[in-house]
Amino acid sequence: KAGVTQTPRYLIKTRGQQVTLSCSPISGHRSVSWYQQTPGQGLQFLFEYFSETQRNKGNFPGRFSGRQFSNSRSEMNVSTLELGDSALYLCASSFLRDRAYEQYFGPGTRLTVT
Amino acid sequence: GENVEQHPSTLSVQEGDSAVIKCTYSDSASNYFPWYKQELGKRPQLIIDIRSNVGEKKDQRIAVTLNKTAKHFSLHITETQPEDSAVYFCAAAGDMRFGAGTRLTVKP
Repeated sequence: KAGVTQTPRYLIKTRGQQVTLSCSPISGHRSVSWYQQTPGQGLQFLFEYFSETQRNKGNFPGRFSGRQFSNSRSEMNVSTLELGDSALYLCASSFLRDRAYEQYFGPGTRLTVT
Repeated sequence: GENVEQHPSTLSVQEGDSAVIKCTYSDSASNYFPWYKQELGKRPQLIIDIRSNVGEKKDQRIAVTLNKTAKHFSLHITETQPEDSAVYFCAAAGDMRFGAGTRLTVKP
C-alpha cells in the first residue's frame, strides 16, 4: 500500500496570509490526525478526523481548522498566519487493530512564515 | 486529555551500550503505547508498540515494558549502534498525546 502523502512539502507564506495543507491517508484508513512539530515543542496535537467528523481537538486557536472528505483525504487550514506558525506540519493516518488505532505519519509540510 | 511525560530529554551512550527511555501517562483508560523514531529530516516511524493487556514486548534489539499500575512504560534498546541515533517519542492513546521526545546519540 502507498504510504501517507502530504502536499505541498514546502511552503513559504507571509504574515497575515492563509494556507491550506493536504493529506492523503493510507488506503482504508479512516482516521487522520494533524500535528505541529517545532524544535522546542515536540509533536503538538492539532485535531483528528474520522469519517468526516472532528473527533478530537488539541489546544490551538481557532485560526487552525481542518476538514475531511468522503474519501478520507484531509485538509488543514491556517488563517491569518503568524511568525510562530512556522513549523513542520505532520499528518498521520490510522486504523483500528486489536482495539487500538495504529498511526502512520506522512512526510510533513514544512511551512515558513516570513 | 492525556498527559505524557518523557525522560530523559537527551541521552548519550557508547556504541554497544544499552539505552532506556521512560514515559509516564495520566489517563488510566489508555490502552495503547507506541514508540516512534524520528531521524533528522524524516517523518516519525513506528518502531514498536504495546497494548495494555501485555507487560513486555520485544523485537530484536528493542523492547518495551509497561507497568499499568504505576502508569509508566519504557523503551529499551540493547547493543546500540550509531544508526540508532535519532529522536524517540512515546505516545499514549486514547487521543494519542506524545511525549516531548528524547534525543539519543550513540557514539561510535
